[in-house]
Amino acid sequence: EEQLVESGGGLVKPGGSLRLSCAGTGFSFTYYNMVWVRQAPGKGLEWIASISGGSIYMYYAESVKGRFTVSRDNAKRSLYLQMNSLRAEDTAVYYCARHVNGMDVWGQGTTVTVS
Amino acid sequence: QSVLTQPPSASGTPGQMVTISCSGSSSNIGSNVVSWYQQAPRTAPKLLIHANNQRPSGVPDRFSGSKSGTSASLAISGLQSEDEADYYCAAWDDTLNGHVFGTGTRVIVL
Repeated sequence: EEQLVESGGGLVKPGGSLRLSCAGTGFSFTYYNMVWVRQAPGKGLEWIASISGGSIYMYYAESVKGRFTVSRDNAKRSLYLQMNSLRAEDTAVYYCARHVNGMDVWGQGTTVTVS
Repeated sequence: QSVLTQPPSASGTPGQMVTISCSGSSSNIGSNVVSWYQQAPRTAPKLLIHANNQRPSGVPDRFSGSKSGTSASLAISGLQSEDEADYYCAAWDDTLNGHVFGTGTRVIVL
């Protein structure tokens, strides 16, 4: 079964840092572009970062550019999101997803609370 | 600050058809493919439609997508109670160099 599992969420103070992880199983992780999407409480979906399979291309939403860094370790089949200078408005459920034809496999999400 | 606009809600009785619109611009829907996602309460989103009108395996053919110019639509025919969820459109935006999601539409089955 193709699966993504996020971890690393938690409570952090404004200005603090957090690193999210996303482990992929059941598919050839190396060959897929991956994305991070977040959802603030009671709000809609917001794409925040993408990374290509070989880490050549990385894209960020303006809302996180310069503060968040997306990376991956294909040998460990893992995707990461380093979040620095966190703000209250970064409070959200963070999802990782595989992107090939649309975002076709999603993790269950990990909650980040900045307070 | 979503750049894709959807109606906040849509409703219908079981068996009816519901259509959700998604309005964008030349830099997103006008020049890239559209995907649609279903999100039931307290669950992760699920891909319903990709490449404007393609259903992944396992998605019922009650769900169909279309695109014309800078707008797209999702139609749900034969509405069922389990279709009650939030629905989002999405596309790549060439100006923003990123994915953009729609504002989301809550479908209510009366």
